[in-house]
Amino acid sequence: QVQMKETGPGLVQTRQTLSVTCTVSGFSLSSHGVHWVRQAPGKGLEWMGVIWDNGSTNYNSALKSRLSISRDISKSQVFLIMNSLQTDDTAVYYCAVNYGGYWYLDFWGPGTMVTVSS
Amino acid sequence: DIQMTQSPASLSASLEEIVTITCKASQDIDDYLSWYQQKPGKSPQLLIYDATSLADGVPSRFSGSRFGTQYSLKINRPQVDDSGIYYCLQNYITPWTFGGGTKLELK
Repeated sequence: QVQMKETGPGLVQTRQTLSVTCTVSGFSLSSHGVHWVRQAPGKGLEWMGVIWDNGSTNYNSALKSRLSISRDISKSQVFLIMNSLQTDDTAVYYCAVNYGGYWYLDFWGPGTMVTVSS
Repeated sequence: DIQMTQSPASLSASLEEIVTITCKASQDIDDYLSWYQQKPGKSPQLLIYDATSLADGVPSRFSGSRFGTQYSLKINRPQVDDSGIYYCLQNYITPWTFGGGTKLELK
């Protein structure tokens, strides 16, 4: 069955670079797109970006200058890299897949909490 | 970017009511709209996709509809377990954008 799990550093210093890995099982990254969504404490959901089945990417307009999403198909892993972190990047980071179709997110990981501190 | 204006921000409803949550898109999104439920400390779960299609395993008391650029999620005679926060997401064009969320409390 489809499973996804995010792994992150927990705590990151301001102005440093965040790296979060999404490890998936039950499907191939060459057949489905994986999205990143984050949620600051007590706030709503924010779509960050996607790496599609063909490897192309799209990003949130406000984050695109410091965000990169890539993948390793052989390892079934998707990577989120975001630089120049600030305290308002503190959030739970989720990966999610459009498995049943292109236009919705039907499976999500449990999320990983990232705290940005000075 | 497409803006999704979701309302109300919160509501309290009884188990006998029909609950309605709406999302208005800033432009035509051609039914590329999905709805999610999130419970505290949990990941969001897909309820509705393509504006009106029920996701697998979602109870039939949930339904989606559209009127122009306004999309609605209805819960017919909600159950206590339906408490949580509901979000719409436009999937028409990247960047995808979420509505601000609706916190539903059932009394």
